[in-house]
Amino acid sequence: DTAVSQTPKYLVTQMGNDKSIKCEQNLGHDTMYWYKQDSKKFLKIMFSYNNKELIINETVPNRFSPKSPDKAHLNLHINSLELGDSAVYFCASSPRTGVTGELFFGEGSRLTVL
Amino acid sequence: DAKTTQPTSMDCAEGRAANLPCNHSTISGNEYVYWYRQIHSQGPQYIIHGLKNNETNEMASLIITEDRKSSTLILPHATLRDTAVYYCIVRVASAGGTSYGKLTFGQGTILTVHP
Repeated sequence: DTAVSQTPKYLVTQMGNDKSIKCEQNLGHDTMYWYKQDSKKFLKIMFSYNNKELIINETVPNRFSPKSPDKAHLNLHINSLELGDSAVYFCASSPRTGVTGELFFGEGSRLTVL
Repeated sequence: DAKTTQPTSMDCAEGRAANLPCNHSTISGNEYVYWYRQIHSQGPQYIIHGLKNNETNEMASLIITEDRKSSTLILPHATLRDTAVYYCIVRVASAGGTSYGKLTFGQGTILTVHP
């Protein structure tokens, strides 16, 4: 049973389109994240939500809008897609209490913008 | 969070120990050392973390020098499935507020385990 699952795994779309990536975790964690891995393989945090509340927004363009309907889900909606948005997007979760560096990542969603 | 320095790549023979070094000379007293790895086409995977003492779990051992300025991740019996990029990350233990869960990944070390 997958702990952190993302859909879709692959997404190919045209510039200017709007797309969403969904994430669900069944670990009972309070905190969820979106990380982006670019073509140079650098992983960087975009957002984090704690119990449906936004707590980190790393100066991501406002074309990116995370939405957390409940603490088990964190979706990422991207408007007006640009070529530079092509990347692998990873969802992650972690427990709220205790040492906070242990994150559980999903398998990633590879977005290609043509 | 303190900056880390890792070798770009390393090789290891299958069945032998893989020792991956990490320098973090500017580490602060309240910062932990974390290790993650990323196998090709998968999400990063937590391996181990420590503050001062050496740590061991079912995946690896973490050796931290007494001055805490460097550490070594040890995979005792490397297998082909351990081929991955290994990231050493230093961060405060319980960063709240806007730092919560914020891991700063560098370029890591590409470990190749060969038969």
